[in-house]
Amino acid sequence: AQSVTQLGSHVSVSEGALVLLRCNYSSSVPPYLFWYVQYPNQGLQLLLKYTTGATLVKGINGFEAEFKKSETSFHLTKPSAHMSDAAEYFCAVSEGVSGGSNYKLTFGKGTLLTGKP
Amino acid sequence: NAGVTQTPKFQVLKTGQSMTLQCAQDMNHEYMSWYRQDPGMGLRLIHYSVGAGITDQGEVPNGYNVSRSTTEDFPLRLLSAAPSQTSVYFCASSYGTGDGYTFGSGTRLTVV
Repeated sequence: AQSVTQLGSHVSVSEGALVLLRCNYSSSVPPYLFWYVQYPNQGLQLLLKYTTGATLVKGINGFEAEFKKSETSFHLTKPSAHMSDAAEYFCAVSEGVSGGSNYKLTFGKGTLLTGKP
Repeated sequence: NAGVTQTPKFQVLKTGQSMTLQCAQDMNHEYMSWYRQDPGMGLRLIHYSVGAGITDQGEVPNGYNVSRSTTEDFPLRLLSAAPSQTSVYFCASSYGTGDGYTFGSGTRLTVV
């Protein structure tokens, strides 16, 4: 079984400040990890993913995430926030290639990122 | 390329009515899934399919039915709508494993 915990349902940042959204996972096999973004009244868009290889992965819109196996974490960062980053962000996990259920994504409950006036 | 197309975008049902949410993809993806999104709950898997003719239950399957007669289409049927099924429904498709899923724009369903 796999699960995802996103720490903080709401994060507020000033423009130009560091964005840090936290994600911890549990998985019985080496996982595949994903971050999705959802803008208001839209579907989910893939930001980035980790499958194998380099543990620091870069995505769209200047976001990146680092897979830390020892900490079972996959935190999302962006060095300098922009007002257009305001959205809800979801971390998701699936079993990797060695897993029997590698077609199923399990999502965290989401973190709403808003701008601090 | 249309990607994943969901219809309708909005629907209001009365308790006890049935309906089908449509989902079609034109990317020749084998894997397709239905999720529901509720505030504070994230996305929860309802049903999924790993290919035409193959479907299985996800985390919250009760009250829903699916079939997969073609690679392209994966409709979700509500058998007898209940207020607890008020939600936003997303269909998604993927080549599988590490590719991630492509999501449709969603269907907002209200059951009164």
